[in-house]
Amino acid sequence: DQQVKQNSPSLSVQEGRISILNCDYTNSMFDYFLWYKKYPAEGPTFLISISSIKDKNEDGRFTVFLNKSAKHLSLHIVPSQPGDSAVYFCAASAWAQGGSEKLVFGKGTKLTVNP
Amino acid sequence: DSGVTQTPKHLITATGQRVTLRCSPRSGDLSVYWYQQSLDQGLQFLIQYYNGEERAKGNILERFSAQQFPDLHSELNLSSLELGDSALYFCASSEGNTGELFFGEGSRLTVL
Repeated sequence: DQQVKQNSPSLSVQEGRISILNCDYTNSMFDYFLWYKKYPAEGPTFLISISSIKDKNEDGRFTVFLNKSAKHLSLHIVPSQPGDSAVYFCAASAWAQGGSEKLVFGKGTKLTVNP
Repeated sequence: DSGVTQTPKHLITATGQRVTLRCSPRSGDLSVYWYQQSLDQGLQFLIQYYNGEERAKGNILERFSAQQFPDLHSELNLSSLELGDSALYFCASSEGNTGELFFGEGSRLTVL
């Protein structure tokens, strides 16, 4: 049972345009959500996070939106740059519930930003 | 550089063999996590240790075991290896109070 789903394996956008990566989750106990970026031959690196008490968090060109009623979150990258080309993983945890901090990951979306 | 060190980076072995993967967490991090990434799969949580004690267990096979030592480094032992165990194995560490994990570069295991 996949608790975190990224239904788009890949996404291609033009440089300067907006990239929107989507993620759905099924476990209502999740209260903390993160996005990780992964380049080939490297480990995932933290990008941005959002707590379930918020519906938006912004950090420079990256914004994460959370819709708890729909159990859906999205990552917006504006403007997209070629260096953003990577695999993006959505992750969730039931951190504030006092449980383990372990993250449950989606399968990832490969973003390609074309010059 | 995340500060998490994993060795070896690459490992090729045969079916039936046993290997040990090693992880040194970031300085000060008490939690260590192990994840497996197989082809076209996301990161599958295997196990978490906190300050030497097992804290959470995921989809870890009985042929696999892990431990965290007093100096906080961790080892993942994989035995009776099968072809399907070929994967990237990531170690991550955390302070335990931010929800963020910091990943190493991974150990790529190939079982022939």
